[in-house]
Amino acid sequence: DGGITQSPKYLFRKEGQNVTLSCEQNLNHDAMYWYRQDPGQGLRLIYYSQIVNDFQKGDIAEGYSVSREKKESFPLTVTSAQKNPTAFYLCASSIRGTTANTGELFFGEGSRLTVL
Amino acid sequence: RKEVEQDPGPFNVPEGATVAFNCTYSNSASQSFFWYRQDCRKEPKLLMSVYSSGNEDGRFTAQLNRASQYISLLIRDSKLSDSATYLCVVNSVSGGYNKLIFGAGTRLAVHP
Repeated sequence: DGGITQSPKYLFRKEGQNVTLSCEQNLNHDAMYWYRQDPGQGLRLIYYSQIVNDFQKGDIAEGYSVSREKKESFPLTVTSAQKNPTAFYLCASSIRGTTANTGELFFGEGSRLTVL
Repeated sequence: RKEVEQDPGPFNVPEGATVAFNCTYSNSASQSFFWYRQDCRKEPKLLMSVYSSGNEDGRFTAQLNRASQYISLLIRDSKLSDSATYLCVVNSVSGGYNKLIFGAGTRLAVHP
């Protein structure tokens, strides 16, 4: 079955540590995204990538980094510079250039990060 | 002002009730609108698009009012399984890139 796999599902980290969240898709989608969701707030875009080896900052990129070395993979690193990293992180993908028309993003099940 | 605003709810309704949610958006240039559904602690999933002429999908009806910049979702004959958070989503163009802006969601709880 095609889909998006995020891991780990739950993650605890100590302050000052970097952590990398994995996102893998086998939908053959060019575009991939990372969102953050906090209680009472909408999803906020962290980074997005329209094509391999290219990515752009979203609205809240500070304290995060990404890479896009393969079409299937878009890992997100939450660095120690991120002030409030505790959140629900969602990875998504779409067929490039279609979101305006279809609005369809395919999401993974999310990774819940808690900083202790 | 947030780009997309929704009443957080919760809307508590009995099974069989009709319930409606509204959502307002600030960018008058927005062209595309959608509703997503998100179950508790799960990922969002696309529910339906919102067309200018309004559209219906079974018990769900979505409407757009461009003049007042709001979108609505009507659910008829509510089921227990409709309990979820409904996210209003608006497409915005920024730097030549189409970006989906998500509202914070309206929570619906359907009870027996």
